[in-house]
Amino acid sequence: KQEVTQIPAALSVPEGENLVLNCSFTDSAIYNLQWFRQDPGKGLTSLLLIQSSQREQTSGRLNASLDKSSGRSTLYIAASQPGDSATYLCAGYSGAYKYIFGTGTRLKVLA
Amino acid sequence: SQTIHQWPATLVQPVGSPLSLECTVEGTSNPNLYWYRQAAGRGLQLLFYSVGIGQISSEVPQNLSASRPQDRQFILSSKKLLLSDSGFYLCAWATGGWNTEAFFGQGTRLTVV
Repeated sequence: KQEVTQIPAALSVPEGENLVLNCSFTDSAIYNLQWFRQDPGKGLTSLLLIQSSQREQTSGRLNASLDKSSGRSTLYIAASQPGDSATYLCAGYSGAYKYIFGTGTRLKVLA
Repeated sequence: SQTIHQWPATLVQPVGSPLSLECTVEGTSNPNLYWYRQAAGRGLQLLFYSVGIGQISSEVPQNLSASRPQDRQFILSSKKLLLSDSGFYLCAWATGGWNTEAFFGQGTRLTVV
């Protein structure tokens, strides 16, 4: 059974730091990977999608990479801001209409 | 552009009462539709998904059911709610294919009392 681990589970950093959030799959057989942001009591907002033929994607201060051979993805946040405070979830698409979600990294950026 | 609407945002229902949560998608056709439940401190649990009108796949045998009466409408129902049905329910749609991308609604916080 495919499982997803996100490390760290929680993170508190001062404003301006560069951050790395990690996501790993027990079975590296995923087709694509998506990173989401979730604010308290809200739905998930899609941040980045790494398609099956890609190894990384960038959007503004966010960069996500995917290493299928090891079943690992990282989300890099540059120059963190208090507005980045949220829970970040990764999800892999494993086929048959199924997404496998991690339990998230809860990020707090202190002003 | 595509948008997804989910309502209500919050709901407090007594044990044994019925439930109906609705989700609609705009700006796309034939989306794959999903219902998830998110418990505090835990990941998203897939409840149902649908790849077409009237086609429902159940992932978890629960006190819940789902229906897709129209292409862009997905409904989560229960005839009699249990305390254990409390949680945060999320509707999502996906583009499909190997490079599928998922988009979520704002969620419904259900409290069964």
